[in-house]
Amino acid sequence: DQQVKQNSPSLSVQEGRISILNCDYTNSMFDYFLWYKKYPAEGPTFLISISSIKDKNEDGRFTVFLNKSAKHLSLHIVPSQPGDSAVYFCAASGGFGNEKLTFGTGTRLTIIP
Amino acid sequence: KAGVTQTPRYLIKTRGQQVTLSCSPISGHRSVSWYQQTPGQGLQFLFEYFSETQRNKGNFPGRFSGRQFSNSRSEMNVSTLELGDSALYLCASSVAGGYNEQFFGPGTRLTVL
Repeated sequence: DQQVKQNSPSLSVQEGRISILNCDYTNSMFDYFLWYKKYPAEGPTFLISISSIKDKNEDGRFTVFLNKSAKHLSLHIVPSQPGDSAVYFCAASGGFGNEKLTFGTGTRLTIIP
Repeated sequence: KAGVTQTPRYLIKTRGQQVTLSCSPISGHRSVSWYQQTPGQGLQFLFEYFSETQRNKGNFPGRFSGRQFSNSRSEMNVSTLELGDSALYLCASSVAGGYNEQFFGPGTRLTVL
């Protein structure tokens, strides 16, 4: 039972354009959502997070949008840079008392110079 | 500040053997989580330890076990290895658990022959 889904295994975007990565979830008890980036041979690194009381969070070139009614979140990267090429994972947690992180299967983003 | 370290980085075992993986969290972090990453499955949560107690557990068989020491270092043990246990095993530390930013180690690549 995949509670967090990333339906696009890969995405290619021209340098300078916007990258939009999508994530859907099924568990309405999820309260906190995070995005991680992973390069080959390295562990994932935290990018940005959002709690369920918000619908948007920005950090530099990265913005995460949360649509609770649709159980959908997205990560926008503007402008996309070659160094953004990596696998991106979204993850969800039930918050305090349910700290388990459930990850999606990842989307491989390739930025084309 | 030193990051999360995992030892060993690579391991080759044969079916039926057992293996112990080690994780040293960032200083001051009391939560350590373990994940299994296999192609197409994303990161699957194994378990989380907080202050030497297992606080959350994923859906893995009892062959997978762990523990945490008073200095927050953690070990994961897999007994009676199967071919399907071949994976990248990642540990992550955080101040308080999954809904906080988790910092990942580089992982241990386990190959079961």
